[in-house]
Amino acid sequence: GQQVMQIPQYQHVQEGEDFTTYCNSSTTLSNIQWYKQRPGGHPVFLIQLVKSGEVKKQKRLTFQFGEAKKNSSLHITATQTTDVGTYFCAGNSNDYKLSFGAGTTVTVRA
Amino acid sequence: ETGVTQSPTHLIKTRGQQVTLRCSSQSGHNTVSWYQQALGQGPQFIFQYYREEENGRGNFPPRFSGLQFPNYSSELNVNALELDDSALYLCASSFTSGGNEQYFGPGTRLTVT
Repeated sequence: GQQVMQIPQYQHVQEGEDFTTYCNSSTTLSNIQWYKQRPGGHPVFLIQLVKSGEVKKQKRLTFQFGEAKKNSSLHITATQTTDVGTYFCAGNSNDYKLSFGAGTTVTVRA
Repeated sequence: ETGVTQSPTHLIKTRGQQVTLRCSSQSGHNTVSWYQQALGQGPQFIFQYYREEENGRGNFPPRFSGLQFPNYSSELNVNALELDDSALYLCASSFTSGGNEQYFGPGTRLTVT
């Protein structure tokens, strides 16, 4: 079955620095979504990418979908303490099911 | 517009017991999906309901079952609870069926002892 892998599992970042988290699928995806879960909270939808090579930006967050539609990345610039949480990618392969990765947990050093 | 709500917030059950978790979908959404999230893991898809019918199922045994009602609210039932069923159970609604953006509720924390 479809598997979605995320790296790194943990990301410890100095406030103000940039970082990138990566997502890889074992199968070609119809779309990929990104969610953020704050400690003790629930996943909150951030964005959906559909087209091969698509790039979308949300303020300091840049999301990219690979040309083969099997991988994606999230790049955060000038990290702030509000960026703390776990970022999940979730892949969809033309059916009802979203397959979530295990997430990248981000901590920020002030 | 009300968001997704779930009840109860926390629940403690004994191995072998049965449990029912409830979810009210966001206004305007006709699809509800249920996920199990173990500590430190991503949500795992259990099943999806669309217009009162099960629309798809993940790798969970038949003792996990569900319902969707005409108002699109939903229940998750788990029979013969096992220790490994201890997790956060998340309900998510979406505008329509398929793998569309999910609006998650706050979850029910189930502990099986």
